[in-house]
Amino acid sequence: QLVESGGGLVQPGGSLRLSCAASGFTFSTSWMSWVRQAPGKGLEWVANIKQDGSEKYYVDSVKGRFTISRDNAKNSLYLQMNSLRAEDTAVYYCANIVWGAFHIWGQGTMVTVPS
Amino acid sequence: QSALTQPPSASGSPGQSVTISCTGTSSDVGGYNYVSWYQQHPGKAPKVMVYEVSKRSSGVPDRFSGSKSGNTASLTVSGLQAEDEADYYCFSFAGSNNWVFGGGTKLTVL
Repeated sequence: QLVESGGGLVQPGGSLRLSCAASGFTFSTSWMSWVRQAPGKGLEWVANIKQDGSEKYYVDSVKGRFTISRDNAKNSLYLQMNSLRAEDTAVYYCANIVWGAFHIWGQGTMVTVPS
Repeated sequence: QSALTQPPSASGSPGQSVTISCTGTSSDVGGYNYVSWYQQHPGKAPKVMVYEVSKRSSGVPDRFSGSKSGNTASLTVSGLQAEDEADYYCFSFAGSNNWVFGGGTKLTVL
């Protein structure tokens, strides 16, 4: 399973670090992702990271502001979010990627950036 | 990275079949077989139903099936049941290490 933490209320321009703790599967052999969902809106892929952290990819809207990382020794995934904007307000989910699809999801953590 | 196009809503009566479409381009849906579908009930995390266009995820009833023709992928739900009422999202690889979701379809069981 996956359990996210670290969400909360942050002022525009502020920073927040999300964490995702993995268990029950081999974390170190899985590509991992962050996906977000703004209130009442659809899903949006945010970022991917390769098993060893050597490759990272982002949606254009967060490039240069968000950084995905992982610690395989701790079975943990992270999302460092800087220069936060109102449009970043969303529930953030972590998920593993297998065969190009998200098979295991966390319960999500809410990030609120007031306008 | 434009979102894939899904109808905002779909509906059917119990026992009927309904098909939800997901239209992209040759750069995403049409170009790769990494199309997946997700079911999301209110307040819950999404759940993968179909991956790689037509492979059902473990535990998913065979009432759910996926297909693709050209730039359009489809999810068909046969023998509709009340618990199928949910939001459904398609998702595709879009090349150059980009991935994109559809806008979502609200399925109502009448």
